[in-house]
Amino acid sequence: AQTVTQSQPEMSVQEAETVTLSCTYDTSENNYYLFWYKQPPSRQMILVIRQEAYKQQNATENRFSVNFQKAAKSFSLKISDSQLGDTAMYFCAFMKGRSNDYKLSFGAGTTVTVRA
Amino acid sequence: NAGVTQTPKFQVLKTGQSMTLQCAQDMNHEYMSWYRQDPGMGLRLIHYSVGAGITDQGEVPNGYNVSRSTTEDFPLRLLSAAPSQTSVYFCASSRGKAQYFGPGTRLLVL
Repeated sequence: AQTVTQSQPEMSVQEAETVTLSCTYDTSENNYYLFWYKQPPSRQMILVIRQEAYKQQNATENRFSVNFQKAAKSFSLKISDSQLGDTAMYFCAFMKGRSNDYKLSFGAGTTVTVRA
Repeated sequence: NAGVTQTPKFQVLKTGQSMTLQCAQDMNHEYMSWYRQDPGMGLRLIHYSVGAGITDQGEVPNGYNVSRSTTEDFPLRLLSAAPSQTSVYFCASSRGKAQYFGPGTRLLVL
């Protein structure tokens, strides 16, 4: 099984500031996908960003960007210009790259609070 | 499109009771799965299906049954509920590598 570790249980950031969430993973696979999911108080799981391991370029989605370090097995999420609506729990997740294998392994999550 | 829907939103059970959590998707996705979410832990995979008639166990399958008779529906059955099954349950579907989650079902077993 793949292990995904999020070492920061909680983080707090001032509105408009930047916050970085860390994620490390353990795998022997060479091809895989990494994801960040957002879970606001509504409990809905929302896909924020995804990274394919064979792509060296870091993925970005508007104010969300990742720093993917394959050799270090690190996948951090940067939230720029934080907004109150970014308050949520954020989960890092891993998926093997094999076709027909869509099982996700999740980290324990990081609770992000954006302060006004 | 409704996406992934789950019913009920909340349920209280007594120990030993059985129930079925419903999940449906209207995106014609082949892959569907069930996860449970417990405090301090990420989501853990219970069962999954790669298509109608095909199911397999995930990380925490004990106490749960599934079946997949149609592409659209993937119900999760608790045969004899236990307090340890108190959790939030999420259903998800996927065609490619991005999974889409339902709104969740909160289950309390007394």
